[in-house]
Amino acid sequence: DAKTTQPTSMDCAEGRAANLPCNHSTISGNEYVYWYRQIHSQGPQYIIHGLKNNETNEMASLIITEDRKSSTLILPHATLRDTAVYYCIVRVRNTGNQFYFGTGTSLTVIP
Amino acid sequence: GAVVSQHPSWVICKSGTSVKIECRSLDFQATTMFWYRQFPKQSLMLMATSNEGSKATYEQGVEKDKFLINHASLTLSTLTVTSAHPEDSSFYICSAIPDPTGELFFGEGSRLTVL
Repeated sequence: DAKTTQPTSMDCAEGRAANLPCNHSTISGNEYVYWYRQIHSQGPQYIIHGLKNNETNEMASLIITEDRKSSTLILPHATLRDTAVYYCIVRVRNTGNQFYFGTGTSLTVIP
Repeated sequence: GAVVSQHPSWVICKSGTSVKIECRSLDFQATTMFWYRQFPKQSLMLMATSNEGSKATYEQGVEKDKFLINHASLTLSTLTVTSAHPEDSSFYICSAIPDPTGELFFGEGSRLTVL
């Protein structure tokens, strides 16, 4: 079952940073935080993941609080193509362990 | 990233017929694949975990006789919706993990419409 809580929807102006929060207050020590996004009628796309340190890649940055009970995905310069549903997932990093999706945040980037 | 491909991307069938959806890992071997179902405006719901060479593990509430999963090779898993009915109309998505400790990669999804 999903262990994360996210706002249902958010808007962001094009060119501005989009900050998407995720609450995972019951996360355990060996669970990673993963972020995926889904553009309408497509399979989800991997964005980034982390354990406790902040992470950055070409798509986004992931900021995890020191107590690991919440995190924020940052899209530094949102474009219209970033409009999608963003899912935050916590999971032990092991082959057989499933990814359970919560309700996600529908991000709309506004021109 | 790793590539997972599904076929067909969409299918329309009559009520009572069976439909098979294929999921292939194109550039890696996958001992485990996952099948999801997604209804309009809803999140992805995990249906089952497909294990190469053994029986699939189904999530609670998912009928194993209705949704047959076969994972006969390290690059192919199939989902067969048997005796499909209109309520089975949905977006079915498969996924696989190329690295035992890595992230999940998804197929493009298959949209099933049962008339």
